[in-house]
Amino acid sequence: NAGVMQNPRHLVRRRGQEARLRCSPMKGHSHVYWYRQLPEEGLKFMVYLQKENIIDESGMPKERFSAEFPKEGPSILRIQQVVRGDSAAYFCASSPAGGGAKEDEQYFGPGTRLTVT
Amino acid sequence: AQKVTQAQTEISVVEKEDVTLDCVYETRDTTYYLFWYKQPPSGELVFLIRRNSFDEQNEISGRYSWNFQKSTSSFNFTITASQVVDSAVYFCALSEESDSWGKLQFGAGTQVVVTP
Repeated sequence: NAGVMQNPRHLVRRRGQEARLRCSPMKGHSHVYWYRQLPEEGLKFMVYLQKENIIDESGMPKERFSAEFPKEGPSILRIQQVVRGDSAAYFCASSPAGGGAKEDEQYFGPGTRLTVT
Repeated sequence: AQKVTQAQTEISVVEKEDVTLDCVYETRDTTYYLFWYKQPPSGELVFLIRRNSFDEQNEISGRYSWNFQKSTSSFNFTITASQVVDSAVYFCALSEESDSWGKLQFGAGTQVVVTP
């Protein structure tokens, strides 16, 4: 039973390039969450998605960041025109249900370490 | 405002000692969930426990135990007879009914260092 998959595990981008981070939830999970962990800090919520819907994007920076979870395929976190401050670990989590349901425990992927040079 | 406070930045213990990690949370909701996650040096996040606000029973899982006290808004975590493999950063998190449930709000984490 595969866990949450994220790729790439490490990504190096130059300032101004685009970064695309992928997350495949656990089998049977239809809720996906993205978090960012800056160096030496805790995790900060970015966005919560269900298939084809954004439920809560209150933690997403207003510019350059976008996320999607299409009907088919993985969830994508896209960062346009990256800057050095975007260097961080980006974690994806998934759950089988949301809304406080008994089954909404979030299981995390291994993370993508983004380095902007 | 920080809703989850982990006041201890780092705790160092010698193997076989017990270690207690403090977590204090803040919410106006009556329905919420509290979590603990472990982040070992390899970097992944390991789910340890989820507890809802209506269940104040303490829980024990092997060498791990959790003490939930609504009166003090605390959800403390104790590792009994610590081992070197327990060395990690431990995060406490809160999920609120009024805030889209799926949004986990993490504390800053407590680094636990267990030496042989």
